[in-house]
Amino acid sequence: EVQLVESGGGLAQPGGSLRLSCAASGFTYRDYWMHWVRQAPGKGLIWVARISHDGSSITYADSVKGRFTISRDNAKNTLYLQMNRLRAEDTAVYYCVRPMLPAWNWFGSWGQGTLVSVSS
Amino acid sequence: DIVMTQSPDSLAVSLGERATINCKSSQSVLYSSNDRNCLAWYQQKPGQPPKLLIYWTSTRESGVPDRFSGSGSGTDFTLTITNLQAEDVAVYYCQQYYTTPLTFGGGTKVEIK
Repeated sequence: EVQLVESGGGLAQPGGSLRLSCAASGFTYRDYWMHWVRQAPGKGLIWVARISHDGSSITYADSVKGRFTISRDNAKNTLYLQMNRLRAEDTAVYYCVRPMLPAWNWFGSWGQGTLVSVSS
Repeated sequence: DIVMTQSPDSLAVSLGERATINCKSSQSVLYSSNDRNCLAWYQQKPGQPPKLLIYWTSTRESGVPDRFSGSGSGTDFTLTITNLQAEDVAVYYCQQYYTTPLTFGGGTKVEIK
């Protein structure tokens, strides 16, 4: 069974930083591209970033480009999202997401999410 | 960016009746290699992450009841729920996966009338 468990969320001040982690299990992690998707309270889904299976290809949404960094450790089966220069509008539940098929971009498995709140 | 526009924002349907949700993309999401549209549908219940229902416009994910069906072509797509059940109360999202940035519709909330 595919499991994705996010951690690292919490309260941060505007301009601050947080690092999210996603522990993956139940599948061959190193074969899959991985994504982060966020959802502000009461709002819709917004794609944030993706990383290729080997980390060689990375793409970001314009809203986070230059502030967030996605990375992965295939030896630890873990996905990361380093979030710097946080803004109030980054407040959201952040989901770690695995595509249904390794290099495709529709999402078969979602974590439960971790809440990031940015406020002074 | 490809903008995904869903309608309506919400709808109330009687148990056993049909719910129809529309999704329009601002440009084609046709993948030429297989002549299929890169369009997926998700269901999200309160307090839960989204769940994949349909991909390639009309292919149901394993385990999804056959009362859920997807259709469409060009830039217009539809999710239909026939014989609506109480457990179908949720918000439904469409998503294009043709190109980055990957984009979702704004969501449609389905309730029981």
